[in-house]
Amino acid sequence: DQQVKQNSPSLSVQEGRISILNCDYTNSMFDYFLWYKKYPAEGPTFLISISSIKDKNEDGRFTVFLNKSAKHLSLHIVPSQPGDSAVYFCAASIYGQNFVFGPGTRLSVLP
Amino acid sequence: DGGITQSPKYLFRKEGQNVTLSCEQNLNHDAMYWYRQDPGQGLRLIYYSQIVNDFQKGDIAEGYSVSREKKESFPLTVTSAQKNPTAFYLCASSQGARSNQPQHFGDGTRLSIL
Repeated sequence: DQQVKQNSPSLSVQEGRISILNCDYTNSMFDYFLWYKKYPAEGPTFLISISSIKDKNEDGRFTVFLNKSAKHLSLHIVPSQPGDSAVYFCAASIYGQNFVFGPGTRLSVLP
Repeated sequence: DGGITQSPKYLFRKEGQNVTLSCEQNLNHDAMYWYRQDPGQGLRLIYYSQIVNDFQKGDIAEGYSVSREKKESFPLTVTSAQKNPTAFYLCASSQGARSNQPQHFGDGTRLSIL
């Protein structure tokens, strides 16, 4: 039973446009959410996180939104660049323990 | 530079053989983790350790063993009991419980069966 879901296995976006990656979770005890970016044959790289006491966190071109009532978070990348093409993983944890990862969404940014 | 080092990058195992994957971190993190990634799938937790000399099974611990004798090191042994060991293995570390801090990952070890 997946506690963290990413229902879109892949997403294609034109360069310069907005990329929106979605993530849903089932465990209301999760209080810390993260997004990671992964290139093939490399480890995931931490992108951005958000605590459950916030509904938005922004870092440069990356913004994460959290809707606790819907148990949904999203990652917005604006503007999208070809170097953003990678697999993006959503993850959640309870008080910094037991990180649970979603299956990932492959983003392709087309020039 | 602080980080996590996994070695080797590629590893081959013969049938019936145990192999050990190395993971070292110099981030002074308390917690360390091992994940397995299969093609087209997400990360599945094998084992984790929140403190030296203590570790817990994750979702898919069968056929694997770990030790945590030093804070910096968390080696993973893939035993002959693991019938489908071919995968990409990732080690991670974090500051640990009671701290909302991200995990940091190594670059992984790809294990294949000869």
